[in-house]
Amino acid sequence: DTEVTQTPKHLVMGMTNKKSLKCEQHMGHRAMYWYKQKAKKPPELMFVYSYEKLSINESVPSRFSPECPNSSLLNLHLHALQPEDSALYLCASSRTGSGDNYGYTFGSGTRLTVV
Amino acid sequence: EDKVVQSPLSLVVHEGDTVTLNCSYEVTNFRSLLWYKQEKKAPTFLFMLTSSGIEKKSGRLSSILDKKELFSILNITATQTGDSAIYLCAVESSNYKLTFGKGTLLTVNP
Repeated sequence: DTEVTQTPKHLVMGMTNKKSLKCEQHMGHRAMYWYKQKAKKPPELMFVYSYEKLSINESVPSRFSPECPNSSLLNLHLHALQPEDSALYLCASSRTGSGDNYGYTFGSGTRLTVV
Repeated sequence: EDKVVQSPLSLVVHEGDTVTLNCSYEVTNFRSLLWYKQEKKAPTFLFMLTSSGIEKKSGRLSSILDKKELFSILNITATQTGDSAIYLCAVESSNYKLTFGKGTLLTVNP
């Protein structure tokens, strides 16, 4: 299995809703990432988990709450979002350590619309 | 702050042309430079470069890194309409942080 699987593919939520995005990989990667990508812009890093511990939080508002229950799963819990949070949310994973030629593997993303 | 600059931002060519995409960077604790192709959804991995002067090739695509001058190029020869996409350059720093450039939108016309 060489994929990163994200669910759901599309999500529409109201500003008072609570929802979660899920990401799963079975490649044995020990680093997992959340990126946010607005239309016609490059992906922007939100969070990095390394060995199931949060190692980078790029000053993301607390209405986004990541969780890494185990080495294969990464969740992003959403609460009280704003319309400007509408974007494509990409999950990625990578092996850790040096000398790796495989780069990062991205999931297909969740297209989130906040109404 | 880490910075990645790609040029040109957009490019229109005809099938069969050769294109060169540029990526320059300023980053603390450089670890690697990666090229991705993005069509509708997820960026797909093309190359990862860590050493200067060693060309990586995959079919009609090739890339090389110059760590002294802090840039990389991505070449595509004999372009096809299926090469139309956004090409993203990203630089990884030692804490697994990827900083992306704005991308080059390549359009290949028949």
